[in-house]
Amino acid sequence: AQKVTQAQTEISVVEKEDVTLDCVYETRDTTYYLFWYKQPPSGELVFLIRRNSFDEQNEISGRYSWNFQKSTSSFNFTITASQVVDSAVYFCALFNSGTYKYIFGTGTRLKVLA
Amino acid sequence: ETGVTQSPTHLIKTRGQQVTLRCSSQSGHNTVSWYQQALGQGPQFIFQYYREEENGRGNFPPRFSGLQFPNYSSELNVNALELDDSALYLCASSYSWGSYNEQFFGPGTRLTVL
Repeated sequence: AQKVTQAQTEISVVEKEDVTLDCVYETRDTTYYLFWYKQPPSGELVFLIRRNSFDEQNEISGRYSWNFQKSTSSFNFTITASQVVDSAVYFCALFNSGTYKYIFGTGTRLKVLA
Repeated sequence: ETGVTQSPTHLIKTRGQQVTLRCSSQSGHNTVSWYQQALGQGPQFIFQYYREEENGRGNFPPRFSGLQFPNYSSELNVNALELDDSALYLCASSYSWGSYNEQFFGPGTRLTVL
């Protein structure tokens, strides 16, 4: 079975707080790719990061960081010092090279309050 | 560089009708994917086209069909519309068929079926 679970439906934080969005995935493939996308109120999905299954290095890009752990099938996303402009729905997605399908999670709505 | 564009922005149809949605991919991209996003849900992968051939499909019935043209633009056709087809339809383009590459999304077409 292939599945992406984002258990947090909605998170509210106050500006400048750190926040972590959780993503747990299921796949039988050994080769797969994980993604995070941001969907602001305008509706257009914006690519944030891609990770392949052989690269467990964590990554930091400005205030964003990602923690990929194959042992727990998780690919979590942390925003440091959150800002109001970070308010959006964030999606985690899995691409399986074997089945050639994209699977998106149900998304986490992040509200950053001023 | 022109981004991914979709037309129309909004569309209202009645049950049983047919609809065609259009997508122009980003310059240099030869792969187009279509997604259906119901309200409050993550995008569901419909299918992907690479060089005018369908090369990946999600769990959608045959009444969802598509085309890709030599200039890599694409159409999504839905026959015999049902109420549950009401959703935001997203088109995404990328520069290679693997689509584990970064996908660039369009703003979407919101379809309402009455």
